Amino acid sequence: GESVGLHLPTLSVQEGDNSIINCAYSNSASDYFIWYKQESGKGPQFIIDIRSNMDKRQGQRVTVLLNKTVKHLSLQIAATQPGDSAVYFCAENIAGTASKLTFGTGTRLQVTL
Amino acid sequence: NAGVTQTPKFRVLKTGQSMTLLCAQDMNHEYMYWYRQDPGMGLRLIHYSVGEGTTAKGEVPDGYNVSRLKKQNFLLGLESAAPSQTSVYFCASSYSEGGPHTEAFFGQGTRLTVV
Repeated sequence: GESVGLHLPTLSVQEGDNSIINCAYSNSASDYFIWYKQESGKGPQFIIDIRSNMDKRQGQRVTVLLNKTVKHLSLQIAATQPGDSAVYFCAENIAGTASKLTFGTGTRLQVTL
Repeated sequence: NAGVTQTPKFRVLKTGQSMTLLCAQDMNHEYMYWYRQDPGMGLRLIHYSVGEGTTAKGEVPDGYNVSRLKKQNFLLGLESAAPSQTSVYFCASSYSEGGPHTEAFFGQGTRLTVV
């Protein structure tokens, strides 16, 4: 079975509810942030990104909020669906560093029916 | 539209054996990366390349070598495998900074077990 993510924090949400996944980053020089979704046995898949000159960005059913003061990032998923069940990673990057990403440890989202 | 393709998908090696993981991308991306993913630790950068013929060390480069002889391919080599290299390996690619998109696209991963 899938061994990656055995010790991840888990968020359980009922289908149809909104989900909020949080991420704290450590490097105040980071200026680009990405949320990735990783389903079991697959590679990370891009969800949404935000640059440090923004506080909020919206996509389809997803919103990312950035609070640079406390170095906090959150991903909000509206009307959570069973297909949203996955591990979610935040990643940060500093301009001029060849787009290298530093990943957080991830959060597992479980959607219950 | 294949995106990023990794081969093989699974491999079991004995300690001391060598192998090469192949990554191919068809998006004409300048940048390519190799990450490893271990339980509870997220993805960590092993090596990366900013263009054909260039490579650079990432966060955890020891025990690995890479080559980028062609723009579309990025090879990761293990010269003498160790059990600590048991992991899931992901290749990724992206446009160079200033390109139309910044996000990295990932392959499906290679699950490597060293016994």
